[in-house]
Amino acid sequence: AQSVSQHNHHVILSEAASLELGCNYSYGGTVNLFWYVQYPGQHLQLLLKYFSGDPLVKGIKGFEAEFIKSKFSFNLRKPSVQWSDTAEYFCAVNAGGFKTIFGAGTRLFVKA
Amino acid sequence: SQTIHQWPATLVQPVGSPLSLECTVEGTSNPNLYWYRQAAGRGLQLLFYSVGIGQISSEVPQNLSASRPQDRQFILSSKKLLLSDSGFYLCAWSSPGALQETQYFGPGTRLLVL
Repeated sequence: AQSVSQHNHHVILSEAASLELGCNYSYGGTVNLFWYVQYPGQHLQLLLKYFSGDPLVKGIKGFEAEFIKSKFSFNLRKPSVQWSDTAEYFCAVNAGGFKTIFGAGTRLFVKA
Repeated sequence: SQTIHQWPATLVQPVGSPLSLECTVEGTSNPNLYWYRQAAGRGLQLLFYSVGIGQISSEVPQNLSASRPQDRQFILSSKKLLLSDSGFYLCAWSSPGALQETQYFGPGTRLLVL
């Protein structure tokens, strides 16, 4: 069965620190990949997505993610985090059809 | 622009009571609709999806059911709630026909079964 693994459940960083959140999936075929974010008190929303083409995708608020097919990974990065990046981040994978598999989420807390 | 509404925002129900959670979408036609349950530390679990009126697919056998009486209305129900039904329920929509497209989520309903 398909699965998505997010390596860190909680991350605490100081402002201006660099961020990398790991995401690995288990599926050998073509996949579409997503990172969603849920800011405190807000709806879950799309941060960025990869369907095809350049494996380095850029999203909102300075986030980017790199798809490495050989490693089944889609890690999220940001060179310098801000206090406003405090949120819960979800990696998600769709391998065709209606079912998108979500990871367990990573809670990021950025200290001002 | 499209908007998605869910209500109620919070619900406390006794075990054995019925449940009805409602989700409506505005600003789009024939959306794909989804119900998820979000459990702390466990991500989002897809419960049901629908590609059209009256068309419901269930992903996980359980005590819940879903219905789509109108194009932009999606209802999650139960005849008799269990303690294990407690959780945070999210409704989402995506563009029709594009099954792998971005999903747009509602604000969610927090359900506590006592």
